[in-house]
Formats: sequence, structure tokens, C-alpha cells
Amino acid sequence: DTGVSQDPRHKITKRGQNVTFRCDPISEHNRLYWYRQTLGQGPEFLTYFQNEAQLEKSRLLSDRFSAERPKGSFSTLEIQRTEQGDSAMYLCASSLGTSGWGNEQFFGPGTRLTVL
Amino acid sequence: GESVGLHLPTLSVQEGDNSIINCAYSNSASDYFIWYKQESGKGPQFIIDIRSNMDKRQGQRVTVLLNKTVKHLSLQIAATQPGDSAVYFCAEPPKGNSGNTPLVFGKGTRLSVIA
Repeated sequence: DTGVSQDPRHKITKRGQNVTFRCDPISEHNRLYWYRQTLGQGPEFLTYFQNEAQLEKSRLLSDRFSAERPKGSFSTLEIQRTEQGDSAMYLCASSLGTSGWGNEQFFGPGTRLTVL
Repeated sequence: GESVGLHLPTLSVQEGDNSIINCAYSNSASDYFIWYKQESGKGPQFIIDIRSNMDKRQGQRVTVLLNKTVKHLSLQIAATQPGDSAVYFCAEPPKGNSGNTPLVFGKGTRLSVIA
């Protein structure tokens, strides 16, 4: 499968624990995006990378959240001291990121986080 | 707040009928719009996009119409099939940017196809 992959697909954790999610983008894509989606809502942007550089962080990304893309390939999203409000689907997407219009963002299947 | 939004949260159509899903936007400078389909348990999947210099764009069984006067776009699905059952989102880049930036999504419309 050459699409975007995410691991794990599901994560159940207790409040206060740390969790880390991984995203493997399509190999030639240099842009990588993290979104969060709660039930009945559309995805909301969290942060994105151009190669290894983190270009932008949403105000939704509190200081408990950190994302990295150390080698410009896979990315990790860590949530420290999880809260029940962090329960959501975390989606990763990647795109070619070339100039111009219409660089389609390809989404992975998401990691569903449940904080008890 | 969000600049894209949906008129209806749910839509039920008979198999074989045409479906129309609507979306309103508020930023008159918006220049690029994308429709995504999200099936249960999956990430969103790109369907079709349109730039503001176009009024209409057609794909396979899908057509997107853009009315800049009333800041409204619609997704039309011809001969709706059971496999079209999903949540459909319109999305746009913020601040009139191109598609190479994070997207702002609307809340979505759930399409249910009745066999």
C-alpha cells in the first residue's frame, strides 16, 4: 500500500498518560499535515511540515502537543498529560507541496484516541 | 469561526437519483474549494476541486458548481450509488491561499443512499 499510513489505528489511554502517534506519508510528498476530527465535525488543522521544518501550528495545539518530522519522512505527534477533551480522531495527510494550485492532500486512516 | 459551512447535516436519496450537497462560504476572497468524501472509519478522500475563475467543473459522475455572487458551491452526484454513502465536506485554504496550505473544513453532510 503506497498511501498514507498511521499507527496505531486505535489508542485507549488513561487521563494523564502520554501518547505518541506515527504518520508515514506518501514517499515523494514533502508536505505533511496533522488534523484533529471530533465526532460530527470536519477535520481541524493542528500543524504542518515542509520536509523537516514545522511551518505552522494552530492555536488548537496546546503546549501539551508536540509534533516532529526529524528526517523529513515520517512524523510523530505526541500528547502529554492527556485529557478527556483530547479524545478524537487524529488524521495525517501529505501532499507534494509544489507551487501552484491543486496539490491534493491525501489522508491516512487516522488514529482514534480515547482518553478515559 | 469557520468560513465554510453546510446547509443540511443529512441527505437521504434513492439509489439512481441525483444528489446535491450544498456549501456556503463567507470570504469573498476565497479562491479555491475542494470536496472530500469520508467513509466510516476512513480518512477523507479527495473528490474534486474548483478555482474561483470557474463556475463549473465536472468529474466522473460528479459536478461542482460555484456561485460567487451568493458565495455558494454545490456538489452534484449523478445516479447515486450505495457506495456514495458517506460524509461529504467542502474545504478551502485559509485567507485565499492555494491548495498547498492546511485546509479549513465545513461540518459535513451525511449522504445516505436508499437501495
